[in-house]
Amino acid sequence: DVKVTQSSRYLVKRTGEKVFLECVQDMDHENMFWYRQDPGLGLRLIYFSYDVKMKEKGDIPEGYSVSREKKERFSLILESASTNQTSMYLCASSLSILAGGLFGQYFGPGTRLTVL
Amino acid sequence: QKEVEQNSGPLSVPEGAIASLNCTYSDRVSQSFFWYRQYSGKSPELIMSIYSNGDKEDGRFTAQLNKASQYVSLLIRDSQPSDSATYLCAVKENYGGSQGNLIFGKGTKLSVKP
Repeated sequence: DVKVTQSSRYLVKRTGEKVFLECVQDMDHENMFWYRQDPGLGLRLIYFSYDVKMKEKGDIPEGYSVSREKKERFSLILESASTNQTSMYLCASSLSILAGGLFGQYFGPGTRLTVL
Repeated sequence: QKEVEQNSGPLSVPEGAIASLNCTYSDRVSQSFFWYRQYSGKSPELIMSIYSNGDKEDGRFTAQLNKASQYVSLLIRDSQPSDSATYLCAVKENYGGSQGNLIFGKGTKLSVKP
């Protein structure tokens, strides 16, 4: 079974703090993704990565950065947390597109971040 | 702008009935389609994938794909209260630097009444 783990289930931070969210997958997947999910807005892609040290902006990258130093680990960084970044953050991983089309993404349990 | 549309619901069905969840997508070249189940407060769980026109069955779940109509559906037979969740439809992007990315619908909330 694919296993994607995230560093925290719940996190409370203060405005202006630097926040690190970590994601680890154990299935040797090439692709990793960070989403946020808010009521009424659905899943929104923040950043994704197709390989180590590689990153691409998703739909809402502003206020976020990412790091992928090892294949199994993808970190999301909130440089200076703001209250509008209060959300559920979801990490996902998948096989490379070169492995074929019928592979979906597998999600971690999520981190519910509250910024006060 | 590529879109995946779902009726937000809630869709309410009695226990034992067939629940029918529908999804339409805008990108004609899309090839791969996925259904996720998300319980309240939990993360999405992949339950079905389909890429050929027609039906694909897995236990009580059947995914149906009609590429000509740009329509994908999920049928849940013998619905159980434990099926109550939000179901997300996702379509894989098919070109450029976004290959491998999924476009998600906002989900349909299903409620199965005992």
